[in-house]
Amino acid sequence: DAMVIQNPRYQVTQFGKPVTLSCSQTLNHNVMYWYQQKSSQAPKLLFHYYDKDFNNEADTPDNFQSRRPNTSFCFLDIRSPGLGDAAMYLCATSGRQSGANVLTFGAGSRLTVL
Amino acid sequence: GNSVTQMEGPVTLSEEAFLTINCTYTATGYPSLFWYVQYPGEGLQLLLKATKADDKGSNKGFEATYRKETTSFHLEKGSVQVSDSAVYFCALSDLRYSSASKIIFGSGTRLSIRP
Repeated sequence: DAMVIQNPRYQVTQFGKPVTLSCSQTLNHNVMYWYQQKSSQAPKLLFHYYDKDFNNEADTPDNFQSRRPNTSFCFLDIRSPGLGDAAMYLCATSGRQSGANVLTFGAGSRLTVL
Repeated sequence: GNSVTQMEGPVTLSEEAFLTINCTYTATGYPSLFWYVQYPGEGLQLLLKATKADDKGSNKGFEATYRKETTSFHLEKGSVQVSDSAVYFCALSDLRYSSASKIIFGSGTRLSIRP
């Protein structure tokens, strides 16, 4: 089945120790998104790639970076995680086939910062 | 700016009860509206959508009607099941690019169904 896969599902890191979360998709969608979801809150868009073009949200901290080496993969790098960065990180995709408004989500990566 | 406000939870119902989860929005222009569902341990899944005023989205017995006059998109189901227990998110799209959009989510409503 075509899908969006996130790894790892659970990540524990220490304060200030860099972390990379990965997302891969077999849908051949041209748009990939990263959302941050804190407990009992709405998912918050951090940034998205439209093909190779990176689009950062104005209020996304510089501590968060992203890479998209090819259509299938996208990475979220947190350079110096703080306690406030503990959250679920959701990757999503959309494409011309599914319609611009329909997002397909991965299962998420839950980050714990000690 | 655009925003979504939805009914706070948690909501607990007995099996076969009628469900309503309220959602209202603020937006410029004519956004598309969505309900996403998140089952325990899983990512969000699209439940239903409506792209213009008076459209009704429906799926798995759930329905929601795009009401422009009241800026609402309330989710309803006539008879809920235990398997409907999940977190439900109302959302709208802010279409900025031809093939990408910023989806703005409400804070989610946790629904628990008792057998």
